Amino acid sequence: SQELEQSPQSLIVQEGKNLTINCTSSKTLYGLYWYKQKYGEGLIFLMMLQKGGEEKSHEKITAKLDEKKQQSSLHITASQPSHAGIYLCGASPSRNTGKLIFGQGTTLQVKP
Amino acid sequence: NAGVTQTPKFQVLKTGQSMTLQCAQDMNHEYMSWYRQDPGMGLRLIHYSVGAGITDQGEVPNGYNVSRSTTEDFPLRLLSAAPSQTSVYFCASRWTPERDEQFFGPGTRLTVL
Repeated sequence: SQELEQSPQSLIVQEGKNLTINCTSSKTLYGLYWYKQKYGEGLIFLMMLQKGGEEKSHEKITAKLDEKKQQSSLHITASQPSHAGIYLCGASPSRNTGKLIFGQGTTLQVKP
Repeated sequence: NAGVTQTPKFQVLKTGQSMTLQCAQDMNHEYMSWYRQDPGMGLRLIHYSVGAGITDQGEVPNGYNVSRSTTEDFPLRLLSAAPSQTSVYFCASRWTPERDEQFFGPGTRLTVL
């Protein structure tokens, strides 16, 4: 099992619906990253959270980091086909080590 | 800036062959990492470096070697390729841990027959 667990592993939603992807760990996380990947392509940086309770938004995507810094959620409002892809969360399991690990990814399909 | 560059983009090897995947960045980043991506497994950390001359193992280091003689370059070596190493490999770099965006290269798709 991986240190970062993402859920669900895959998701199919109808266009216009909201959705949430979760990223959890049993340890405190230092620097929580969210990336998106189109099939067969490179990784696109979405946002990064550092502090417990922090929330950031970009267009229709909002990410939150809980107070304990052990769980993050990525919420997409009014999904569009352009949101389809693989979403990956990454984090450092210990402070200042340079080690950045990722979850197994969540595959999102948006049906028009 | 070219960012993070990787060569080659595609490679086919036979079992037992050796090769080096190249990674370079022109952003003067101290931290560099190698990941492999397999279906349903996300990104798994192979090796990482916190500066020239300093490397450490990640989650799946077996079968891979790295070195970091300069800040810019971080090559990944497969000494004796195995079919289990068929994967897409990504190199990444960033300024400091836990504070800055990690930049990824475009990836190398490796097939081992």
